[in-house]
Amino acid sequence: GQQVMQIPQYQHVQEGEDFTTYCNSSTTLSNIQWYKQRPGGHPVFLIQLVKSGEVKKQKRLTFQFGEAKKNSSLHITATQTTDVGTYFCAGFRDSNYQLIWGAGTKLIIKP
Amino acid sequence: DAGVIQSPRHEVTEMGQEVTLRCKPISGHNSLFWYRQTMMRGLELLIYFNNNVPIDDSGMPEDRFSAKMPNASFSTLKIQPSEPRDSAVYFCASSLMPGTASYEQYFGPGTRLTVT
Repeated sequence: GQQVMQIPQYQHVQEGEDFTTYCNSSTTLSNIQWYKQRPGGHPVFLIQLVKSGEVKKQKRLTFQFGEAKKNSSLHITATQTTDVGTYFCAGFRDSNYQLIWGAGTKLIIKP
Repeated sequence: DAGVIQSPRHEVTEMGQEVTLRCKPISGHNSLFWYRQTMMRGLELLIYFNNNVPIDDSGMPEDRFSAKMPNASFSTLKIQPSEPRDSAVYFCASSLMPGTASYEQYFGPGTRLTVT
């Protein structure tokens, strides 16, 4: 069926290390959205990527959309405790006007 | 705007009881989504509405679940009868319809349901 695969499921990092999560779709996406869910909270929209090869930055966060519009990544430079949470990608297909959600990557800062 | 409003925030009920979750979307949004989130299954889309009409309910687990949207400012998700495996956080989200300039989803705070 229609899926967006997201890896890894978890990533443990020391504070100050980088973090990356990847999403991959078997079919072309018209756009991809990224959300962050803090522990005990609800998903909050971060950004939307629409164009092939698009790169957007939000402070220490860098979002990329692949040339084929089938994959995307989120990279966080020098993680901080405020970055803790689960990061979801959600791909949008024009064919059925639905967001297809990745399973999320949980960022855990090692004590 | 107050954002998406959900009630109750917490619900504890006994197996077999009826549970009704409520959602008020952001004013002006014409798409509404119900999600369920558990540790085991992650975030699952249950059903979504466009302009108050259910478009896809393929995520609804079984006949015990039903959802309605009688008008643009209110939706309910009902579970009857409830079972312990229904314990989860239920989120409601709203957005503008696809095709508009920006249709990111805005989530409510969720209802944490515990069925004993």
